[in-house]
Amino acid sequence: NAGVTQTPKFQVLKTGQSMTLQCAQDMNHNSMYWYRQDPGMGLRLIYYSASEGTTDKGEVPNGYNVSRLNKREFSLRLESAAPSQTSVYFCASKWGARDYGYTFGSGTRLTVV
Amino acid sequence: TQLLEQSPQFLSIQEGENLTVYCNSSSVFSSLQWYRQEPGEGPVLLVTVVTGGEVKKLKRLTFQFGDARKDSSLHITAAQPGDTGLYLCAGDRPISGNTPLVFGKGTRLSVIA
Repeated sequence: NAGVTQTPKFQVLKTGQSMTLQCAQDMNHNSMYWYRQDPGMGLRLIYYSASEGTTDKGEVPNGYNVSRLNKREFSLRLESAAPSQTSVYFCASKWGARDYGYTFGSGTRLTVV
Repeated sequence: TQLLEQSPQFLSIQEGENLTVYCNSSSVFSSLQWYRQEPGEGPVLLVTVVTGGEVKKLKRLTFQFGDARKDSSLHITAAQPGDTGLYLCAGDRPISGNTPLVFGKGTRLSVIA
């Protein structure tokens, strides 16, 4: 089925470990986004890529890096995980036109101990 | 400061009741979108409203965009347990370029049979 695929679905890390969250979309969308969702905080934008070859910081970029590998793939890397990064991470994509909704993946639940 | 304020934050009602969820801002948006999120899944787009005063209906759900394009409401008639979930509004700011959506913190709805 067409959509946004995120891997892994669940992950437990020890403080200081690194990992990469993978995201791929097969809808030929130009823009891709990484959000984290925490209780009471809503969806907060970490990084986004308006088009292939560009990336920009969002509201909460500290501790994260991203790579827009090609038009389909947008990965999020935690270089040295901290307990404050325990969250549910969502990747989303959007066609270039304004007023066009996001398609979200099903999320990665990350716990840092 | 939250750009989009949603109210109420939590809502628990009996099956068959009506309810309204509000999404307010002091800023103008070129469009507003409503998403519904179920546990363990990513948000799913319900509707996009783009014209001030616009009303859209989706079965028992009625969405309205304020005349000044600063607010929106979601009204559910005769709520059912299947309506249970987190409802998020998101706004597209009238800024040039492909800027990300702004999300409210959500309204968590529980419909009791």
